[in-house]
Amino acid sequence: EPEVTQTPSHQVTQMGQEVILRCVPISNHLYFYWYRQILGQKVEFLVSFYNNEISEKSEIFDDQFSVERPDGSNFTLKIRSTKLEDSAMYFCASSESQNYGYTFGSGTRLTVV
Amino acid sequence: AQSVTQLGSHVSVSEGALVLLRCNYSSSVPPYLFWYVQYPNQGLQLLLKYTSAATLVKGINGFEAEFKKSETSFHLTKPSAHMSDAAEYFCAVSGYGANSKLTFGKGITLSVRP
Repeated sequence: EPEVTQTPSHQVTQMGQEVILRCVPISNHLYFYWYRQILGQKVEFLVSFYNNEISEKSEIFDDQFSVERPDGSNFTLKIRSTKLEDSAMYFCASSESQNYGYTFGSGTRLTVV
Repeated sequence: AQSVTQLGSHVSVSEGALVLLRCNYSSSVPPYLFWYVQYPNQGLQLLLKYTSAATLVKGINGFEAEFKKSETSFHLTKPSAHMSDAAEYFCAVSGYGANSKLTFGKGITLSVRP
């Protein structure tokens, strides 16, 4: 069964550093998403991406965040200057069409120290 | 705007017993509803979804859910729990088009006793 692949599975970074979280969506999917889950809290929407542009973003997705689909296969989330409160599990998801049901990756656990 | 309420944080059942995980939603547009399962150290796996067709939806692993508009509910059930069902379960709601992002509930941890 096709999978969404995320790398790395765990990343530790120092506060203020930039991190890039990588995702390879399912190849025929057109809609891409990032969600995050702070330990013990809800899974929260960050951003959706379609046709090479952001289609929706949440209040969390401020100027320190950016997304990119650099080469037609990868989908990345960049956090420019990490804060302690960015520590969370970040999930990438892709979907063939809206509301079809997303396929989520296994997540990247980001720890900011 | 959409929201999901999952009351309680933990449900414990005996192996072979009925599983009932409750989900109530709020949506300003006709909702699409989903249940996801998360096993330890894994991603979110889609169990089932309601997309305005049949109100009783069957999913994987013997789970099913019934959409009840009058009660704004989408409870997840399984007639007979198995040890392998122990996981965290998330209910989620979305709208359509520009409202297609998923809004999740806080999740319920299901434990299954031998």
